[in-house]
Amino acid sequence: EAQVTQNPRYLITVTGKKLTVTCSQNMNHEYMSWYRQDPGLGLRQIYYSMNVEVTDKGDVPEGYKVSRKEKRNFPLILESPSPNQTSLYFCASSLTTGGSTDTQYFGPGTRLTVL
Amino acid sequence: DQQVKQNSPSLSVQEGRISILNCDYTNSMFDYFLWYKKYPAEGPTFLISISSIKDKNEDGRFTVFLNKSAKHLSLHIVPSQPGDSAVYFCAASVWGHYNQGGKLIFGQGTELSVKP
Repeated sequence: EAQVTQNPRYLITVTGKKLTVTCSQNMNHEYMSWYRQDPGLGLRQIYYSMNVEVTDKGDVPEGYKVSRKEKRNFPLILESPSPNQTSLYFCASSLTTGGSTDTQYFGPGTRLTVL
Repeated sequence: DQQVKQNSPSLSVQEGRISILNCDYTNSMFDYFLWYKKYPAEGPTFLISISSIKDKNEDGRFTVFLNKSAKHLSLHIVPSQPGDSAVYFCAASVWGHYNQGGKLIFGQGTELSVKP
């Protein structure tokens, strides 16, 4: 089954404790992206990757890091989480980076709470 | 600065009637628009899209209308079904930029409730 998976689905942590949210896709997609969803703000892009070893900042990259060492994986790293990073996070992937048929497929989401 | 706005946080309609979800944008460079649907505890799923060279795109019960002069798009669902109850996000991109980075700008979302 073609899918984007994220782990963990739920996480409660404390300020300053480094964490990683994993994202994996099995569709051989080149493009991957991370979003956060906050009430009243919709989804905002954090980072994206157009291919292995190619990453770039989205709209809200502060406090986050990413890496793309393999095509299928795109982990989101919070080196020193803070309460304002409490949010619902989505990973997404698409075949390439554009085109009318290049739909982004989203993972199920990770709900992060930083105390 | 919210470039894509969905001003109605919620909408309730009766089963069988039409649902109309609205979306406004401010950036005249946007030339590709999408609607995503999201159920609780799931990620958004692509529903329908439209490019700026069209003013209408239809897929079954779903039709998206684009009014470029008003910078407004809408999603019509006819007839509405209880299974359509979800949060709907509109999103916009600049084609060239989308081709280079896949950047989508999302609205805040509208929660649709279809009552039997």
